[in-house]
Amino acid sequence: AQSVTQPDARVTVSEGASLQLRCKYSYSGTPYLFWYVQYPRQGLQLLLKYYSGDPVVQGVNGFEAEFIKSNSSFHLRKASVHWSDSAVYFCAVSAGNAGAKLTFGGGTRLTVRP
Amino acid sequence: EAAVTQSPRNKVAVTGGKVTLSCNQTNNHNNMYWYRQDTGHGLRLIHYSYGAGSTEKGDIPDGYKASRPSQENFSLILELATPSQTSVYFCASGDVGGNTLYFGEGSRLIVV
Repeated sequence: AQSVTQPDARVTVSEGASLQLRCKYSYSGTPYLFWYVQYPRQGLQLLLKYYSGDPVVQGVNGFEAEFIKSNSSFHLRKASVHWSDSAVYFCAVSAGNAGAKLTFGGGTRLTVRP
Repeated sequence: EAAVTQSPRNKVAVTGGKVTLSCNQTNNHNNMYWYRQDTGHGLRLIHYSYGAGSTEKGDIPDGYKASRPSQENFSLILELATPSQTSVYFCASGDVGGNTLYFGEGSRLIVV
């Protein structure tokens, strides 16, 4: 079985500061990894995904994530946050085969102070 | 324009009543999913489908049924609604190759 842990339910940072949101996954095979973002009263939108190759993947709006297999982690980073980045961020894992189910973490609510 | 649309967006139901949540997608994806979102649990998979006529149980299927009458439509059915099913429900469609999901805006259900 696969699982995802996001240890920080809430994170608050000041605008312009750097950001790291943590994600640890559990999966016995080679995982497909995702970060999604949910803005208020909206569905989830894909930020970035990792399948293979370069362990650092770039996403939209300056976000990036690094896959560290030895640590089973896929942390999300951004060099300088903006107030509009305030949202809930979800990490997810999949087995990767066609039609595989995505398993989501509990989410991290990010608040950016002006 | 929105590629995954859900209806109703908000619903108040009585305990023991029947509730149907509908989802329509214009992505032409084979796979469709129903998740519920609760604080502290993230999104949990209820049912999913690989195409018209197929439904599969997800991780928390008890108390829910699903119907996929066509490529575009996927419904979630609560035959006997209970207060524990109060939640926000999300429908998503997925491309077979890449596992990326495209979500609707959610349906907020309150069972009283």
